[in-house]
Amino acid sequence: DAGVIQSPRHEVTEMGQEVTLRCKPISGHDYLFWYRQTMMRGLELLIYFNNNVPIDDSGMPEDRFSAKMPNASFSTLKIQPSEPRDSAVYFCASSLNRDRAGNTIYFGEGSWLTVV
Amino acid sequence: GQNIDQPTEMTATEGAIVQINCTYQTSGFNGLFWYQQHAGEAPTFLSYNVLDGLEEKGRFSSFLSRSKGYSYLLLKELQMKDSASYLCAVRDSGYSTLTFGKGTMLLVSP
Repeated sequence: DAGVIQSPRHEVTEMGQEVTLRCKPISGHDYLFWYRQTMMRGLELLIYFNNNVPIDDSGMPEDRFSAKMPNASFSTLKIQPSEPRDSAVYFCASSLNRDRAGNTIYFGEGSWLTVV
Repeated sequence: GQNIDQPTEMTATEGAIVQINCTYQTSGFNGLFWYQQHAGEAPTFLSYNVLDGLEEKGRFSSFLSRSKGYSYLLLKELQMKDSASYLCAVRDSGYSTLTFGKGTMLLVSP
């Protein structure tokens, strides 16, 4: 399997610009997660989807952040407008049905975002 | 809410054994995971515990005590490639999400 695929791997953008991060989950996985990782706060859950439907977006920092999952094989995380404090590594991850004990979450390689 | 604590850094020498502890306080519990993350890379799954006791997988073992809210990851016969951050994560009951600790950076020296 190709694993979780994210793009872009690295992005440097200016404050105020729109940033769109993309993710393709592992085929057949019905859960998709967006995490953000920083030195200060560690790995934080932003939002997750089940069968393309957003289930919990309480981790989304503010209205500048939005996420969509138009189909089972694609999701986006958008930041508009971007700010320097958004600089972080954004991970997309996917997993199988939660009712199966021990189903683990598989991470993509991450999108390294720097806002200057 | 969830609170997960683990040491920030640990050091050990090649060939030695190291134990990385994790304590957690959660409103629900449906499993504890350990992930390994090398610098600049994605977290990768190492182990899973949902019942009390020890799970062994090669050089790595993970232990869980649900009554104490405590887990540890045991790494034997350390190798230089084991230098990485080790993340403890708890799955809340009824959800598929994982809440992560901030990770323990392990440095293995010759």
